[in-house]
Amino acid sequence: GQQVMQIPQYQHVQEGEDFTTYCNSSTTLSNIQWYKQRPGGHPVFLIQLVKSGEVKKQKRLTFQFGEAKKNSSLHITATQTTDVGTYFCAVQDDKIIFGKGTRLHILP
Amino acid sequence: DTAVSQTPKYLVTQMGNDKSIKCEQNLGHDTMYWYKQDSKKFLKIMFSYNNKELIINETVPNRFSPKSPDKAHLNLHINSLELGDSAVYFCASSQGRPSYEQYFGPGTRLTVT
Repeated sequence: GQQVMQIPQYQHVQEGEDFTTYCNSSTTLSNIQWYKQRPGGHPVFLIQLVKSGEVKKQKRLTFQFGEAKKNSSLHITATQTTDVGTYFCAVQDDKIIFGKGTRLHILP
Repeated sequence: DTAVSQTPKYLVTQMGNDKSIKCEQNLGHDTMYWYKQDSKKFLKIMFSYNNKELIINETVPNRFSPKSPDKAHLNLHINSLELGDSAVYFCASSQGRPSYEQYFGPGTRLTVT
């Protein structure tokens, strides 16, 4: 069945450093979504990518969808303490599958 | 002005009991979901309803029974609770079938002792 692998599982960065999380699928995706969950909170939708090679930006966040639509990445430039949380990718074809998430810790 | 609300927020109960979690959304969405998030933060879909019709029913013990009385409500009833049911349960909604952004409720932390 379809699998989604998200790496890394954990990431510790100094405040101001960049951060990237990757999501890889075993099959071609129709779209991919990214969510952020703050500690103690609930997942919040960030963005959806649909087109091959698509790149979208939200302030310091850059989202990419691979040319083959099998992988995606979320890059945060110059992390801030407000970026702390777990970032999930989610694929929704015939099933809904969330990646296992990347937990981001910011060191002051 | 909460978009997706769940009650209760916390639920502590003993093994063998039956409990229910309620979810309501005021976004006018036609699709609602139940997710389970375990202690490792893995988020797994359990059920999804579209216009009160069950469209996703993952491999979940039949002790779990969802009910959607109308498009705005999706409840989850759990019979004979087990220790392994301890988790955070999230309700979510979206407009349209899965593939659109989902709005999550605040979660219900269930602890089975």
